[in-house]
Amino acid sequence: AQSVTQLGSHVSVSEGALVLLRCNYSSSVPPYLFWYVQYPNQGLQLLLKYTTGATLVKGINGFEAEFKKSETSFHLTKPSAHMSDAAEYFCAVSYNFNKFYFGSGTKLNVKP
Amino acid sequence: DGGITQSPKYLFRKEGQNVTLSCEQNLNHDAMYWYRQDPGQGLRLIYYSQIVNDFQKGDIAEGYSVSREKKESFPLTVTSAQKNPTAFYLCASSITGKGYEQYFGPGTRLTVT
Repeated sequence: AQSVTQLGSHVSVSEGALVLLRCNYSSSVPPYLFWYVQYPNQGLQLLLKYTTGATLVKGINGFEAEFKKSETSFHLTKPSAHMSDAAEYFCAVSYNFNKFYFGSGTKLNVKP
Repeated sequence: DGGITQSPKYLFRKEGQNVTLSCEQNLNHDAMYWYRQDPGQGLRLIYYSQIVNDFQKGDIAEGYSVSREKKESFPLTVTSAQKNPTAFYLCASSITGKGYEQYFGPGTRLTVT
């Protein structure tokens, strides 16, 4: 069965520090990969996605993620955290039939 | 502006009552989805539909029902059979095909007492 694991339900960084949110998937078939952000009491907004091609993907708000097939990972990074980055982040995968599988989420706290 | 509308934002019901959550999209997407979100559990798929007049159960369909009579609309009914209906409900849509992302509505927070 397909699954998505996000390591760390809560991550705390200082403003200006590197943000690293981890995502691993379990599948022998390479999936399509997505990162979403959710602010409190709101829907999810797409940050970036990987489908094919270049494995380093750039998204909105300075975020990027790298698809590493050998590690079955798609970690999300941002070089310098901003207070406005405080939110919950979800990694998701899909395969061929429009069904999506979400990780349990990582709440990012940014300290001033 | 294209997007997904969910109404109402907050909904309160008494136990034993059925309640219907609205989801409308004007993105011309074929696929629509309903998710339930509980703290620490991510998003769990309730139902999804890839075409009008057809839908499939997701991972937690018990106690829920849906209809897809129009492309733009995918209402979710939370029935009295749902044992723990208090949650945040998210509707999403996407283009049918490989690699397309989902677009999400703002969500409806349902509280049943």
